[in-house]
Amino acid sequence: DARVTQTPRHKVTEMGQEVTMRCQPILGHNTVFWYRQTMMQGLELLAYFRNRAPLDDSGMPKDRFSAEMPDATLATLKIQPSEPRDSAVYFCASGSSLKEQFFGPGTRLTVL
Amino acid sequence: ELKVEQNPLFLSMQEGKNYTIYCNYSTTSDRLYWYRQDPGKSLESLFVLLSNGAVKQEGRLMASLDTKARLSTLHITAAVHDLSATYFCAVEGYNTDKLIFGTGTRLQVFP
Repeated sequence: DARVTQTPRHKVTEMGQEVTMRCQPILGHNTVFWYRQTMMQGLELLAYFRNRAPLDDSGMPKDRFSAEMPDATLATLKIQPSEPRDSAVYFCASGSSLKEQFFGPGTRLTVL
Repeated sequence: ELKVEQNPLFLSMQEGKNYTIYCNYSTTSDRLYWYRQDPGKSLESLFVLLSNGAVKQEGRLMASLDTKARLSTLHITAAVHDLSATYFCAVEGYNTDKLIFGTGTRLQVFP
């Protein structure tokens, strides 16, 4: 049963701390997307990769956020330093040439 | 810039009734996707519409695409409580892997 996995599922941290979220895309998928969802802003695309190369990170605050794909089975999203306004659910999704995206279960982040 | 609008944003409907959710988008696209999200859960793919005139049905839900009108509809037939969720449409951008999501329609079905 092919699924996107994300860790951790929940994270509570204090302002100023570093947060790293991880995503394992579906095997064989060549695109990976990071989204953030909040009640106020809805679903926002932060960054995405194709064949591990970053193609668009225009939705990401670059002073504190960074996204990488060290290998085809792992994508990371890092926030340093974290702020309360970063509290949200962060979703990873992966896709293939067919463009349909499959979403992971999300990481619920709370920054105090 | 591609914009995707859904309406209504909120829909409260009685079990057994029919209703339609609309998804309009602003520039040419041949592919449209519908997702469902239950509270506190992830997004689940419902339908992939790949061409003008495409129609897909699954249970009480039917989705269609009119690329000339830049419109997709999600029709609910004889609603049941289990359909209560937020429904998103998403449109494929031109020459990109990105999907542009609508704001979502929160559906609540009551007895």
